[in-house]
Amino acid sequence: QKEVEQDPGPLSVPEGAIVSLNCTYSNSAFQYFMWYRQYSRKGPELLMYTYSSGNKEDGRFTAQVDKSSKYISLFIRDSQPSDSATYLCAMSAETPFNDYKLSFGAGTTVTVRA
Amino acid sequence: ETGVTQTPRHLVMGMTNKKSLKCEQHLGHNAMYWYKQSAKKPLELMFVYNFKEQTENNSVPSRFSPECPNSSHLFLHLHTLQPEDSALYLCASSPAFVDRIYSGNTIYFGEGSWLTVV
Repeated sequence: QKEVEQDPGPLSVPEGAIVSLNCTYSNSAFQYFMWYRQYSRKGPELLMYTYSSGNKEDGRFTAQVDKSSKYISLFIRDSQPSDSATYLCAMSAETPFNDYKLSFGAGTTVTVRA
Repeated sequence: ETGVTQTPRHLVMGMTNKKSLKCEQHLGHNAMYWYKQSAKKPLELMFVYNFKEQTENNSVPSRFSPECPNSSHLFLHLHTLQPEDSALYLCASSPAFVDRIYSGNTIYFGEGSWLTVV
């Protein structure tokens, strides 16, 4: 079983729709959860960052973490063609040991149609 | 601009060539990373440096050789690569670890170097 599972898509939605992305994970020690956006032929850029469970909102973006279900989500409201990209989830644990490693999902490719 | 600059952006090399990828960060960070990104696969961590000291070599073949002369610069020396090594190589940086405890600060990526081995 992969440590982080993410549906690769592709996902195609009309402009203005809500985009829903999610990842599941197996390591209950994960405490930090991130979403990265990667445009074609570019490096990933940090989009959202949450610690532990709960919701976080930033403009049109909402990140949710449900640690009891080991499930994280990213919602994009009023989607725009400029939101077309690959979205990567990433997570890490906080331990006394050398655990700075991020575990990534494979990424979901999203296309927003004008 | 992410503050992490990688050169070259594209590289084509033969299996007998020797080349290097360069990374420079302008964020004042003290930890730097090399990741490999292949199609439809999660990012794979290759090497980690913290205050110029290598703290991670994630079972990477010896044909990849990292070098970190200072906290702002990171190199990946390549020699006798295989076609399956063709991928996007991403450099990243983050604040340093303190007492080997990860503070949870996230990392910042460069735009990557596209490598094709022929």
